[in-house]
Amino acid sequence: NAGVTQTPKFRILKIGQSMTLQCTQDMNHNYMYWYRQDPGMGLKLIYYSVGAGITDKGEVPNGYNVSRSTTEDFPLRLELAAPSQTSVYFCASSQGLTVTEAFFGQGTRLTVV
Amino acid sequence: AQKITQTQPGMFVQEKEAVTLDCTYDTSDQSYGLFWYKQPSSGEMIFLIYQGSYDEQNATEGRYSLNFQKARKSANLVISASQLGDSAMYFCAMREPYSGNTPLVFGKGTRLSVIA
Repeated sequence: NAGVTQTPKFRILKIGQSMTLQCTQDMNHNYMYWYRQDPGMGLKLIYYSVGAGITDKGEVPNGYNVSRSTTEDFPLRLELAAPSQTSVYFCASSQGLTVTEAFFGQGTRLTVV
Repeated sequence: AQKITQTQPGMFVQEKEAVTLDCTYDTSDQSYGLFWYKQPSSGEMIFLIYQGSYDEQNATEGRYSLNFQKARKSANLVISASQLGDSAMYFCAMREPYSGNTPLVFGKGTRLSVIA
């Protein structure tokens, strides 16, 4: 089983460039999330989605956009990259409204220079 | 206010000893879930154990157990018989599904180092 797949694994961006981090899951989960993890810190929620066509902001949404056109895919768009967006990005998914574990992708290490 | 508080930035434990990683949480919901994740140096997030707020028994998964004290709002992770491979960051997280807070909220983590 593939689970949650993120691409790319690593990326270096120049200030002002844009990029899309891809995330796809094959578990038919309704809930998907994007987190960022700064060095030595916990995970902070950027955006999340409770189903196709529905997205909502998390704790740190500024500088990012998301879309959820299908159940499987939840891409994260960075517009006008800034050094403050240097971080490791994790996509995750979970099933339903009840308390179940979230499955994480392998992470994308992004450096903005 | 912090939803999840992990007060130990770093912990050391001797191999084969037990260790407790602290986690306290803040919620006014009756229904919630508490999770522990392990993040080794390779970076992936590995689910370890889950405790539901209505579960009467403390959760256990192999060498991991969760010391759940609901009145104190604490959910400490106990690792028995520590192994060198347990060296990692450990994150406590909470989910409050019925108040609309469906995403996991994480603490800042505790770095565990197991010494031979």
